Amino acid sequence: EAQVTQNPRYLITVTGKKLTVTCSQNMNHEYMSWYRQDPGLGLRQIYYSMNVEVTDKGDVPEGYKVSRKEKRNFPLILESPSPNQTSLYFCASRSRQGSGNTIYFGEGSWLTVV
Amino acid sequence: AQSVSQHNHHVILSEAASLELGCNYSYGGTVNLFWYVQYPGQHLQLLLKYFSGDPLVKGIKGFEAEFIKSKFSFNLRKPSVQWSDTAEYFCAVNAYNQGGKLIFGQGTELSVKP
Repeated sequence: EAQVTQNPRYLITVTGKKLTVTCSQNMNHEYMSWYRQDPGLGLRQIYYSMNVEVTDKGDVPEGYKVSRKEKRNFPLILESPSPNQTSLYFCASRSRQGSGNTIYFGEGSWLTVV
Repeated sequence: AQSVSQHNHHVILSEAASLELGCNYSYGGTVNLFWYVQYPGQHLQLLLKYFSGDPLVKGIKGFEAEFIKSKFSFNLRKPSVQWSDTAEYFCAVNAYNQGGKLIFGQGTELSVKP
């Protein structure tokens, strides 16, 4: 079954404590990206990756890092989380074959920074 | 910069009423267009998508959308809503030269009264 899997699904952490949200897809997709969802703002792209070792900033990259060492994994790293990073995060992936291919989303990760 | 605008932030309807949610985008080139739905507590699910061809696109659960290129619009419609359609709806655009990047609208919350 085609899946994008995120972990953890729910996390409460404290300001400044580094955390990583993992994302893994089993569809051999080239493109992967991270979004955050905030009320009234829709989803905004944080970072994206077009392939292994190729990453680039999205619209709201500040305070985040990513890496793409393997095709299937695209972790999101918060080196020093702050309360304004409290949000719902979605990982997404799609195949490079055809520009309009469906984008698959993970289940979402609820992150609260206190 | 490209943007997607959804005109209504919150729509309240009674069951069996007709629905139309507006979506406009700002990008002059070729685009792929999507509507996603997010039921309470769940992740994003694809309702329908437009890549090319017939501008009237039919999706799941009786939804349809019409792409009007001259108006840069991709409005979502359903002739008769049900209580189970209560959810948040997101319009999204993927510009042809931007790979996998989706730009989302702010979202429209739909509440259907039984």
